[in-house]
Amino acid sequence: NAGVTQTPKFRVLKTGQSMTLLCAQDMNHEYMYWYRQDPGMGLRLIHYSVGEGTTAKGEVPDGYNVSRLKKQNFLLGLESAAPSQTSVYFCASSYSKGTYEQYFGPGTRLTVT
Amino acid sequence: AQTVTQSQPEMSVQEAETVTLSCTYDTSENNYYLFWYKQPPSRQMILVIRQEAYKQQNATENRFSVNFQKAAKSFSLKISDSQLGDTAMYFCAFKDNAGNMLTFGGGTRLMVKP
Repeated sequence: NAGVTQTPKFRVLKTGQSMTLLCAQDMNHEYMYWYRQDPGMGLRLIHYSVGEGTTAKGEVPDGYNVSRLKKQNFLLGLESAAPSQTSVYFCASSYSKGTYEQYFGPGTRLTVT
Repeated sequence: AQTVTQSQPEMSVQEAETVTLSCTYDTSENNYYLFWYKQPPSRQMILVIRQEAYKQQNATENRFSVNFQKAAKSFSLKISDSQLGDTAMYFCAFKDNAGNMLTFGGGTRLMVKP
């Protein structure tokens, strides 16, 4: 099992450019999440999904869109990147809510210049 | 909204000794879940231990144990027999009863010295 994978691992964007981050999981998990981690801080939830075709906003959703067309994939889009979106982005998945563990991907380091 | 506070930005401990990392949280809920995650330099987030608020018994996982004080809203992590591989950032996290969102503290950087 690969677990949770993220593509790409690194990316540099210019202000105003767009991009999509791909998250894939092979554990048949229903729940998937996108977080961002800024220097010296914990992770903050951007968007999440409780199943195929459903998405919901997290703590810091502005400037991001997501889609969950397939159960195993969760896409995070930046339509017009801003320097404030420079961060490390983590995807996670879990079997269900509550006490179930969230399994994290390795992260994507995004720099917006 | 829930908040999670880790008051120790950095800590160090000698190899084989014991260290305790502090975490406090704020919530009005009675049922919730608490977690400690480890983030080594590789950046990978790894679950260390979890605790359900309705359970009075403190969780234990090998060298890792927690001191859960529900009334005080405190959830500290004790690492016994510290090893060099324990060097990492440690994050305390809270999940509410709906169970969809993890709220993380700011982290504690732990250095284990040989």
